[in-house]
Amino acid sequence: GQQVMQIPQYQHVQEGEDFTTYCNSSTTLSNIQWYKQRPGGHPVFLIQLVKSGEVKKQKRLTFQFGEAKKNSSLHITATQTTDVGTYFCAGRVAGGSYIPTFGRGTSLIVHP
Amino acid sequence: DTGVSQDPRHKITKRGQNVTFRCDPISEHNRLYWYRQTLGQGPEFLTYFQNEAQLEKSRLLSDRFSAERPKGSFSTLEIQRTEQGDSAMYLCASSLTSGERDTQYFGPGTRLTVL
Repeated sequence: GQQVMQIPQYQHVQEGEDFTTYCNSSTTLSNIQWYKQRPGGHPVFLIQLVKSGEVKKQKRLTFQFGEAKKNSSLHITATQTTDVGTYFCAGRVAGGSYIPTFGRGTSLIVHP
Repeated sequence: DTGVSQDPRHKITKRGQNVTFRCDPISEHNRLYWYRQTLGQGPEFLTYFQNEAQLEKSRLLSDRFSAERPKGSFSTLEIQRTEQGDSAMYLCASSLTSGERDTQYFGPGTRLTVL
């Protein structure tokens, strides 16, 4: 079955440093979504990428979808303590089940 | 509040008991999903509905689990003869599909503890 791998599992950074999490799928994806889950909270939708090579920005967050539509990344510039949480990617298989497969997530810890 | 709501927020039960959770999606959303999440893992798909029709169930979903969405609005998830391995956060999400767009809005979850 489809697998979505996410690395790293944890990332500690000093406030102001950059952060990147990577998502890799074993199969080609039709689209990929990113979610953020704060400690004790529920996943909150951030963005969806659909096109090969697509890059989208939301303030300090930059999302990329690979050319082969098998990988994606989320980069945060100059982290803040409000960025703390777990970031999940969720991919839908091209031509397959409609259901997204979530990665294990990357937990970001920002030290002030 | 117009977000997804779930009830109860916490449930503690003894092994072997049945439990039922309720999810109220965002009004007008046609799709409703149930997920399970354990510590350190991403949400794991259980089942989803489009309106009142249950369109897909995870192969991991045992026959002790059943879900309904009788009128295409709220949904219930029942777990019969609970086991300790059922302890998890049960998340509900809803979406309004539009072409490729299917943004899922998650509820706060029901945390189940089976003793």
